Amino acid sequence: GAGVSQSPSNKVTEKGKDVELRCDPISGHTALYWYRQSLGQGLEFLIYFQGNSAPDKSGLPSDRFSAERTGGSVSTLTIQRTQQEDSAVYLCASSLWPGRSYEQYFGPGTRLTVT
Amino acid sequence: QKEVEQNSGPLSVPEGAIASLNCTYSDRGSQSFFWYRQYSGKSPELIMSIYSNGDKEDGRFTAQLNKASQYVSLLIRDSQPSDSATYLCAVEGNTPLVFGKGTRLSVIA
Repeated sequence: GAGVSQSPSNKVTEKGKDVELRCDPISGHTALYWYRQSLGQGLEFLIYFQGNSAPDKSGLPSDRFSAERTGGSVSTLTIQRTQQEDSAVYLCASSLWPGRSYEQYFGPGTRLTVT
Repeated sequence: QKEVEQNSGPLSVPEGAIASLNCTYSDRGSQSFFWYRQYSGKSPELIMSIYSNGDKEDGRFTAQLNKASQYVSLLIRDSQPSDSATYLCAVEGNTPLVFGKGTRLSVIA
């Protein structure tokens, strides 16, 4: 079946602009996660949504970052007033909840470059 | 803070050899453990899950879990150049998965 999809695949933006990154999880997966991976670095957890519960925002690096999930499916990560240090690959993952709830499946990522 | 530690490598092995990748974790209560493979420029791909002590085999891959010693390992038999990638260990934690920084494996033909 279809995997996790993300758009755009690449985004170049000027410092100070706002950007929106989209994630479409695997059909039937109720948990959705956002991570960030800077060049040569590990995965940095940002936020996760599980069903209708309040999201766990503990990894968001600043109040410039926010995310929402509409209708329990598609999610949008918004970065306001982008900075050069926001340049990274933003990865979305989803998992089945309950059940094998910790098996996360990743999308291809969005490469964000802030100039 | 729950932690997952991996040797960053690179780990170089000749083609056909066994590659052994190790991971230790800090939360004694963790019950679920995963290995992801990440090719350069690509996103992580789930290759193994293990939930019980002992070995779990899937093709050329074997995951080993020892909860008493808090380590999990991945063995790759008959290593191929196509196995060259970064391998991420992930452990059930409070996010709910905590990822290690990965071990870079290079299989030399």
